[in-house]
Amino acid sequence: GQQVMQIPQYQHVQEGEDFTTYCNSSTTLSNIQWYKQRPGGHPVFLIQLVKSGEVKKQKRLTFQFGEAKKNSSLHITATQTTDVGTYFCAGEYLYDYKLSFGAGTTVTVRA
Amino acid sequence: DSGVTQTPKHLITATGQRVTLRCSPRSGDLSVYWYQQSLDQGLQFLIQYYNGEERAKGNILERFSAQQFPDLHSELNLSSLELGDSALYFCASSVSGGFNEQFFGPGTRLTVL
Repeated sequence: GQQVMQIPQYQHVQEGEDFTTYCNSSTTLSNIQWYKQRPGGHPVFLIQLVKSGEVKKQKRLTFQFGEAKKNSSLHITATQTTDVGTYFCAGEYLYDYKLSFGAGTTVTVRA
Repeated sequence: DSGVTQTPKHLITATGQRVTLRCSPRSGDLSVYWYQQSLDQGLQFLIQYYNGEERAKGNILERFSAQQFPDLHSELNLSSLELGDSALYFCASSVSGGFNEQFFGPGTRLTVL
């Protein structure tokens, strides 16, 4: 079935370094959303990307939506301890009204 | 605090039993979504209601059902429970009927023994 694949599953980062998490779909997405879930918490909406090739920034976070609307990435620069958590992408399919979450990238930060 | 409330926080029950999880959306939100989060399956979309009507269905088992009431709160009913149903169940709400910005509740942790 339709599925959004997300890599890597785990990311161990030195404080101050950058990292990127990637999401891919085999079929075209209507839009993609990103959420962050802190340990023991609930998912919190970060952003939604709708347009082909769209790039949005939130402080140290940069979100991209591919030209074909099949992939997306989240890049975090100068990682801080507050960035710890699991980042999920969630894709809405173009012709199938449902939302598919990626498996998530769990980020740990070494001080 | 997202403004979405879920009760109970924790639920422990036995196989074969039936439970009801309750969700109150943020004030003004018309859509309610239910998700299941488990270690092996990740975050799975179950079902969405918009203003009392079922809007979208995801990977919801036939043993599970949901409804949204006139006051917009929603209930998720899980029956004939199995060990594999043990998971964190989240409710989320949003203003619109689409899959836009969703606000998640704190979740209900269900343990089936």
